[in-house]
Amino acid sequence: KAGVTQTPRYLIKTRGQQVTLSCSPISGHRSVSWYQQTPGQGLQFLFEYFSETQRNKGNFPGRFSGRQFSNSRSEMNVSTLELGDSALYLCASSLDGGRVRTGELFFGEGSRLTVL
Amino acid sequence: AQSVTQPDIHITVSEGASLELRCNYSYGATPYLFWYVQSPGQGLQLLLKYFSGDTLVQGIKGFEAEFKRSQSSFNLRKPSVHWSDAAEYFCAVGVRGNFGNEKLTFGTGTRLTIIP
Repeated sequence: KAGVTQTPRYLIKTRGQQVTLSCSPISGHRSVSWYQQTPGQGLQFLFEYFSETQRNKGNFPGRFSGRQFSNSRSEMNVSTLELGDSALYLCASSLDGGRVRTGELFFGEGSRLTVL
Repeated sequence: AQSVTQPDIHITVSEGASLELRCNYSYGATPYLFWYVQSPGQGLQLLLKYFSGDTLVQGIKGFEAEFKRSQSSFNLRKPSVHWSDAAEYFCAVGVRGNFGNEKLTFGTGTRLTIIP
């Protein structure tokens, strides 16, 4: 069974640009979450989607947004990039949301964003 | 709000020695508890998890952890470390929401170095 796939793995942008990151969850997983990892702040929760609906959101500005498609694939977008947005963005999928409650997240390898 | 403390930023142990990584959490109810490992440039891999029941849980790669409610701790242990265990280890608490585990709060991580 394929794991969580994130694309692109690496990208470089300049301040003011926008970026879109993609995540394909494990087959059958309907919940997708996004996390930002930086050396200073560690791992921080961005948002979580289930069945195309955002169920939970972390404390990030509105420049950070996401969506989920009917096939459970998810994208996150960051607009008007700032230097501080340089980070590893991790996507995780889960079976949770229906009658199954495992609480277990499966992470992708991440998309490393560098903002110059 | 829930929180996780990993008091040791960096630990160095000799190959073959025993290991204990500390984790304390703050959460009003019974949490989901997890340990994840991250190798350089990689995503997070689940080592083990606690939801309920037996407070001593076994994980992959020979790791185990013990949930102690009275101490709000979930320490990770391994009787004999291998050089391949060198990585960063994250403790996390999951919120028992309406739909299962909607998000994780991570500790700041403990970097483990193994010396020959």
